[in-house]
Amino acid sequence: AQSVTQPDIHITVSEGASLELRCNYSYGATPYLFWYVQSPGQGLQLLLKYFSGDTLVQGIKGFEAEFKRSQSSFNLRKPSVHWSDAAEYFCAVGGGATNKLIFGTGTLLAVQP
Amino acid sequence: DTAVSQTPKYLVTQMGNDKSIKCEQNLGHDTMYWYKQDSKKFLKIMFSYNNKELIINETVPNRFSPKSPDKAHLNLHINSLELGDSAVYFCASSQRIGAAADTQYFGPGTRLTVL
Repeated sequence: AQSVTQPDIHITVSEGASLELRCNYSYGATPYLFWYVQSPGQGLQLLLKYFSGDTLVQGIKGFEAEFKRSQSSFNLRKPSVHWSDAAEYFCAVGGGATNKLIFGTGTLLAVQP
Repeated sequence: DTAVSQTPKYLVTQMGNDKSIKCEQNLGHDTMYWYKQDSKKFLKIMFSYNNKELIINETVPNRFSPKSPDKAHLNLHINSLELGDSAVYFCASSQRIGAAADTQYFGPGTRLTVL
């Protein structure tokens, strides 16, 4: 069955520190992988996506993610976190004819001064 | 201009009522979706339409009926509302169907509270 696991429900980092949010997926075919961010009371905004090619993808707001097929992972990273990065982060996998996205349960990021 | 808009933003209603949520996209996309986000922030797809044709119907109670008058609009009508329907409902759109790498653009969400 297709699924996405985000093992960390809640992460707190200090402003300026590096960040890595974990995402593991289970998918029968070639996965298309996405990271979305949801600020409080807002909709979801796409940070980046992977569908082929270079396994290290760059996104908006200084985020990047690396696709590792052998580990079924697509972890999100940022070298230096800003207070405005505090939000909920969702990893998602899509594919197939219907363009259906399956989301993980999200990781809530808190940034302390 | 807002790419994907939803109305209303908040909806508070009594159990048993019927309500609708409207969604419009001005991106010229062919495909639109409805997602439900529960109180634990879990997001799950409910429906998708491609050019007014139903593509995905994810085991949603038949009290929920999507309606797509044209490809820029996908409305969600809910009959006989129940407490468990309380959630945030997100509309989204993407350029086309069958292209899973297409970005889905999300609306701001409608918070439905059933009392």
